[in-house]
Amino acid sequence: DVKVTQSSRYLVKRTGEKVFLECVQDMDHENMFWYRQDPGLGLRLIYFSYDVKMKEKGDIPEGYSVSREKKERFSLILESASTNQTSMYLCASSLYYNEQFFGPGTRLTVL
Amino acid sequence: TQLLEQSPQFLSIQEGENLTVYCNSSSVFSSLQWYRQEPGEGPVLLVTVVTGGEVKKLKRLTFQFGDARKDSSLHITAAQPGDTGLYLCAGTPAQGGSEKLVFGKGTKLTVNP
Repeated sequence: DVKVTQSSRYLVKRTGEKVFLECVQDMDHENMFWYRQDPGLGLRLIYFSYDVKMKEKGDIPEGYSVSREKKERFSLILESASTNQTSMYLCASSLYYNEQFFGPGTRLTVL
Repeated sequence: TQLLEQSPQFLSIQEGENLTVYCNSSSVFSSLQWYRQEPGEGPVLLVTVVTGGEVKKLKRLTFQFGDARKDSSLHITAAQPGDTGLYLCAGTPAQGGSEKLVFGKGTKLTVNP
């Protein structure tokens, strides 16, 4: 079974802090994704990566950056957290037909 | 913009009832997935359909991909409380050659005992 793990289930940070969200997958998938999920807005793609050291902007990249130094690990960075970045963050990986396998999510609260 | 519209947005039924939820678009998709998400968890992939008219069954769940590959439906027979969750459809647009998925906003299903 594919396993995608995220570093924290719950995280509370203060405005202006730098925040790192880590995601690791164990199935050698090429593609990895970061989404945020908000009530009424659904899942929105922040960034994705096709390969190591490659990244592409999704639909809402502003205020975020990513890092993929190893194939299995994809990190999301909030350079200076703001209250409007309070959300559920979901990491996913995929291999075929865009069948994405999601991690359990990190619920981030920015105070 | 290629959108997937899901209906209904909310559905509350009694255990044992049947239900159908819909996922519609004006665009053609080369494949479409259905996911179920429980509160506080990530979505879990249920099925992928790739051929127009395709029907797949997963126990009491039946998934159908429209002939024109623009829509899909999920039918649940004899719903159980364990079926409660957010059902998301997601598709790969036929045009664009992207690995990105387009997601619908989901149908929130509650099955009452």
